[in-house]
Amino acid sequence: QVHLVESGGGVVQPGTSLRLSCETSGFIFSHYNMHWVRQAPGKGLEWVACISYDGRDKFYVDSVKGRFSISRDNSKNIHYLQMNSLRAEDTAVYYCAKDLFQYASGERYFDYWGQGSLVTVSS
Amino acid sequence: EIVLTQSPATLSVSPGERATLFCRASQSVSRYLAWYQHKPGQPPRLLIYDTSTRATGIPARFSGSGAGTDFTLTISNLEPEDFAVYYCQHRTNWPPAFGPGTKVDVK
Repeated sequence: QVHLVESGGGVVQPGTSLRLSCETSGFIFSHYNMHWVRQAPGKGLEWVACISYDGRDKFYVDSVKGRFSISRDNSKNIHYLQMNSLRAEDTAVYYCAKDLFQYASGERYFDYWGQGSLVTVSS
Repeated sequence: EIVLTQSPATLSVSPGERATLFCRASQSVSRYLAWYQHKPGQPPRLLIYDTSTRATGIPARFSGSGAGTDFTLTISNLEPEDFAVYYCQHRTNWPPAFGPGTKVDVK
């Protein structure tokens, strides 16, 4: 059974950093691209970042480029989202999500999600 | 960047009825469109991908159609557990964006 569990959220001040982790099980982690998707309070879903199955390719939404960094450790079945220079508008529930297809190149659908980790950026 | 819009914003439906939700893209996404169901306190759930393919375990009362810029999600014979927010999402290029959502609530 596929499981994704986020951790690392919390309340931080603007300008500071936080690292989210996503521990996974139940599938061959090294075969799948992994994503982060967020939902700000009262808002819809926003895709944030993706890392390819082998860690070579990384993609980000424009609003986090240069501030957030996605990484993975295929030996531990974990991926991460390092968030620097946090802003109030980064306040959201952050979900990690698994890509639907193995070794996906253009395919980006999300078939399994974690329960989410709340990040609150406030002074 | 492709922008998705969804209509209506809210749809009030009685259990047992049919719900029809719409998603429009600012430019063609071919058939690369998915639908998700999202309930409060739960993660989103993939329902449909590539316009009309149901994800694993999704009941047949959920169906998708469309191509290019206009897409439809139809929920036939609404069950009590179907009341939720529904998002469409494209994967045509980066970023793989979501629409703003349609809330399906009880009439």
